[in-house]
Amino acid sequence: EVQLLESGGGLVQPGGSLRLSCAASGFSFRTSAMNWGRQAPGRGLEWVSGITGGGGPYYADSVKGRFTITRDNSKNTLYLQMNSLRAEDTAVYYCAKDWYFEYWGQGTLVIVSS
Amino acid sequence: DVVMTQSPLSLPVTLGQPASISCRSSQSLVYSDGNTYLNWFQQRPGQSPRRLIYKVSNRDSGVPDRFSGSGSGTDFTLKISRVEAEDVGVYYCMQGTHWPLTFGGGTRVDIK
Repeated sequence: EVQLLESGGGLVQPGGSLRLSCAASGFSFRTSAMNWGRQAPGRGLEWVSGITGGGGPYYADSVKGRFTITRDNSKNTLYLQMNSLRAEDTAVYYCAKDWYFEYWGQGTLVIVSS
Repeated sequence: DVVMTQSPLSLPVTLGQPASISCRSSQSLVYSDGNTYLNWFQQRPGQSPRRLIYKVSNRDSGVPDRFSGSGSGTDFTLKISRVEAEDVGVYYCMQGTHWPLTFGGGTRVDIK
């Protein structure tokens, strides 16, 4: 059974940083592309960042230069380092398997507020 | 960026009746490999999204056969042949052909 478990969300002040983690199991993590998506309160879905199995990153323009996606294939874990956070980054952040979002985690809430 | 436009925004339906959601893209979603990377997702209240359909018309494992996807190029449709109470939620289309990946704004399905 595929499982994706996000963690690391919380309340942070504008300009602050957070690192999200996504622990994966039930599939070949090292050969699978992975993505981060987000959903602001009461809003729709937005793609944030993705990474190939080999570590090649892709970013939405809205987070480029502020967020960094990485993966540790030895730990089956995906990360999202978020710096220079803004109020508009407030959202539930989901990790998802492959470029087609085959499976999603339960999400972790990030609130950027003073 | 490819803009994905869904309609309607809200769709009240009677139990047992059909429902149809439209998704239109601002560019063709046919990739150079010949595939069309258009997916549909369901998000029930309080839950994470769940993929229903990939590459236009392929149902994911465990998805009831009352759900079907069709379309080509820039024009796509998700149909529910007979709506059940468990189908209440928001439905999103998403294109995976062009960078960045983009989602439609969502269609809320509820029961009349």
